[in-house]
Amino acid sequence: EAQVTQNPRYLITVTGKKLTVTCSQNMNHEYMSWYRQDPGLGLRQIYYSMNVEVTDKGDVPEGYKVSRKEKRNFPLILESPSPNQTSLYFCASSLGTGVGYTFGSGTRLTVV
Amino acid sequence: SQQGEEDPQALSIQEGENATMNCSYKTSINNLQWYRQNSGRGLVHLILIRSNEREKHSGRLRVTLDTSKKSSSLLITASRAADTASYFCATDAGGGTSYGKLTFGQGTILTVHP
Repeated sequence: EAQVTQNPRYLITVTGKKLTVTCSQNMNHEYMSWYRQDPGLGLRQIYYSMNVEVTDKGDVPEGYKVSRKEKRNFPLILESPSPNQTSLYFCASSLGTGVGYTFGSGTRLTVV
Repeated sequence: SQQGEEDPQALSIQEGENATMNCSYKTSINNLQWYRQNSGRGLVHLILIRSNEREKHSGRLRVTLDTSKKSSSLLITASRAADTASYFCATDAGGGTSYGKLTFGQGTILTVHP
């Protein structure tokens, strides 16, 4: 089944403890993207990638890192999480411009 | 920055009625997309309309695009309770390294009463 898989689905962590949210797609998509969704603020793009080793900042990149070493994987790294990064995170992928994105099921992160 | 803004923020209708949601954006676009999100779950792509298209249909969905007014509308005809969800427009500005970079509006919450 064609899908975007995020892990974990839920995560509670403490301030400052490094974490990684994994994202993998099995559709050979070029484009991948990370979003966070917060009440009243909608979806905001964190980082996106047009291909392997090609990444660019979105609208809210501060406090996040990404890497795209393989086409299928696009992990999101929080080096030192803070409570303001408590949010619902989505990974998405697309074949290219002019084609819609497929979204993962989301990762609900709580930083205490 | 938020490119798309949606109107209304919330819409409540009866089953069988039509639902219309509007989206306005600020800069030129390559295409505009509509997505649906059921509560707390991942977004599902509904339809994409390119900047050189004015109208597109998919099943009970009809999307229009007016690039001169920088606006789009999504019409859901003969709505069903299962259509209850949040609906988002997203713009793809295209150009340079921005191809495929989507910017989302804040969404319209649609409630369809049985």
